Amino acid sequence: QVQLQESGPKLVKASETLSLTCIVSGYSIGTGYSWGWVRHIPGKGLEWIGSVFHSGTTYYNPSLKSRVTISMATSRNQFSLTLSSVTAADTAVYHCARDMGYAYGHAFDIWGQGTMVTVSS
Amino acid sequence: QSALTQPPSVSGSPGQSVTISCTGTSSDVGTYNRVSWYQQPPGTAPKLMIYEVSNRPSGVPDRFSGSKSGNTASLTISGLQAEDEADYYCTSYTTSSALLFGGGTKLTVL
Repeated sequence: QVQLQESGPKLVKASETLSLTCIVSGYSIGTGYSWGWVRHIPGKGLEWIGSVFHSGTTYYNPSLKSRVTISMATSRNQFSLTLSSVTAADTAVYHCARDMGYAYGHAFDIWGQGTMVTVSS
Repeated sequence: QSALTQPPSVSGSPGQSVTISCTGTSSDVGTYNRVSWYQQPPGTAPKLMIYEVSNRPSGVPDRFSGSKSGNTASLTISGLQAEDEADYYCTSYTTSSALLFGGGTKLTVL
């Protein structure tokens, strides 16, 4: 059974960098699929942040691309998100998820429970 | 890039059918059959219900079905049940090699 679990600080100061890690169990992330991040801004909808192919190739939401880095640590079976220069608008629940890839329309079939990150001024 | 357009809310009585629309453009829904639908009850993670317009993952009841016409995709839930009450989101792959979500639709089972 594949499971994903987000970890990282729940409070980040404005202008600093948000860093989250997704720990994957039940599947070796370097062997297949893509792995992505989606956030849910309170009172608004879901927003795709970006994904990393199992080979390490990344693709990002154009609106966030200048501030986002997603990377993989296959030896630890985890992948990470960094979002720089955060503002209050980045306050959200951040989910990591398994991305089925282009062949399946980049559908996310397995999700972490999500972690609430608040940006404080 | 603007979010895909969904109605803010829909409702139906148990046993009825409801349809949620997801309208995009020729740069996303109209070009690709890469539309997915997610169900998200309050306080939980989204759950994949439909991928590639009309495919159901294992375990999703066949009461849930998807379709597409032109720039608009649709999710239909037949035989509505109380447990279907949730927020529903569509997504589409785009010509910018990105994923775009809809604004979400709140389904109320009366």
